[in-house]
Amino acid sequence: SAVISQKPSRDICQRGTSLTIQCQVDSQVTMMFWYRQQPGQSLTLIATANQGSEATYESGFVIDKFPISRPNLTFSTLTVSNMSPEDSSIYLCSVEGMQGAGGTEAFFGQGTRLTVV
Amino acid sequence: GQQLNQSPQSMFIQEGEDVSMNCTSSSIFNTWLWYKQDPGEGPVLLIALYKAGELTSNGRLTAQFGITRKDSFLNISASIPSDVGIYFCAGQLGPYGQNFVFGPGTRLSVLP
Repeated sequence: SAVISQKPSRDICQRGTSLTIQCQVDSQVTMMFWYRQQPGQSLTLIATANQGSEATYESGFVIDKFPISRPNLTFSTLTVSNMSPEDSSIYLCSVEGMQGAGGTEAFFGQGTRLTVV
Repeated sequence: GQQLNQSPQSMFIQEGEDVSMNCTSSSIFNTWLWYKQDPGEGPVLLIALYKAGELTSNGRLTAQFGITRKDSFLNISASIPSDVGIYFCAGQLGPYGQNFVFGPGTRLSVLP
């Protein structure tokens, strides 16, 4: 399994500002995923980040609001731009790993709990 | 897009009781995963299922991949207080590189 570290673990930010969340993986991975988990809700995929190319965003999420960087195979950042209280959520970084039988599993960082005031 | 339904939405049980929760979809999935999330933490993988009909155990946890490939269940036997948390199912439609779709979660409370 992959070990994923996210920073910061939590933050309280003023509306209108931006926060960059970092995700570090202990092994090289092709694809990294960023999810949002709103209070009391399930996980919603924001975007898929491949090294060397632009991230692919899901419906309802745009690059101007959630720019993503993927400079190498072990690191990615997600920026939440021009924040509003509606952006208060847990943001989770995820990677996939190959299981011995040929299936895949998704592993998560501990998440970044963002509160916008 | 694809949606997963989980039931029950929440449950309160006595310590020592067995628990059963399930996940259904209108889509066929190739992989089912079950996660537990504690407050302030990311989801932790409990069990992964890759074949229709597969029954897999992990300690007191047992999960099955439905024959129709549209459902899965998770059982917890002899519940203990540390089982408290939110349990999510997740399904993957295709091979490696396709993202997982998550269910809404089952919130489990264990009463001493």
